[in-house]
Amino acid sequence: QVQLVQSGSELKKPGASVKISCKASGYTLTNYALNWVRQAPGQGLEWMGWINTNTGNPTYAQGFTGRFVFSLDTSVSTAYLHITSLKAEDTAVYYCVRDRYSSSPYSGDYWGQGTLLTVSS
Amino acid sequence: DIQMTQSPSSLSASVGDRVTITCRASQSIITYLNWYQQKPGKAPKALIFGASSLQSGVPSRFSGSGSGTDFTLTISSLLPEDFATYYCQQTYSTPLTFGGGTKVEIK
Repeated sequence: QVQLVQSGSELKKPGASVKISCKASGYTLTNYALNWVRQAPGQGLEWMGWINTNTGNPTYAQGFTGRFVFSLDTSVSTAYLHITSLKAEDTAVYYCVRDRYSSSPYSGDYWGQGTLLTVSS
Repeated sequence: DIQMTQSPSSLSASVGDRVTITCRASQSIITYLNWYQQKPGKAPKALIFGASSLQSGVPSRFSGSGSGTDFTLTISSLLPEDFATYYCQQTYSTPLTFGGGTKVEIK
């Protein structure tokens, strides 16, 4: 069965970096696009962008450029979200979301369990 | 960016009730509209894609309709496990955007 298993909760200090992993199983990572979604505490869902898992080309939503990087390691069927220069407002749950399509984001059908990132001094 | 407005933001309903949630887009998105269900402390779950297509495994009491700017999610007969927050999302153009959510609570 399709599964996306994300890495565990992180507690980081402002200015530090974090890399969140999303391991895909039950399907071939490169056959479906992958989205990233953020949910701040008590808030709604915010689309961060997506990565074309065939080409490795990422697309970032405004507000997620510069400090946010999507990457892949297809040899271990894993996608990554790297965030640098962490700020308190980065505190949120981050989700990886498989898309139904490969070449553009259309509909997230499987979600990772989420990774809670807490940024606090 | 396309703005997605859900209404109501919350509602109280009883088991067995028919529930309708509305989502309005700030411009036409044809049928590029998805619905998700989220329970507290859990990841969202996909319900509907393409405005009216049911995700595999989703019960038939859930249905979606609409096109252009106005969409609805209907739960024909509410069950205890349906109490959750529901989000719509447009995928007509990037950035993909979500509605603010509708919390369905027990009356």
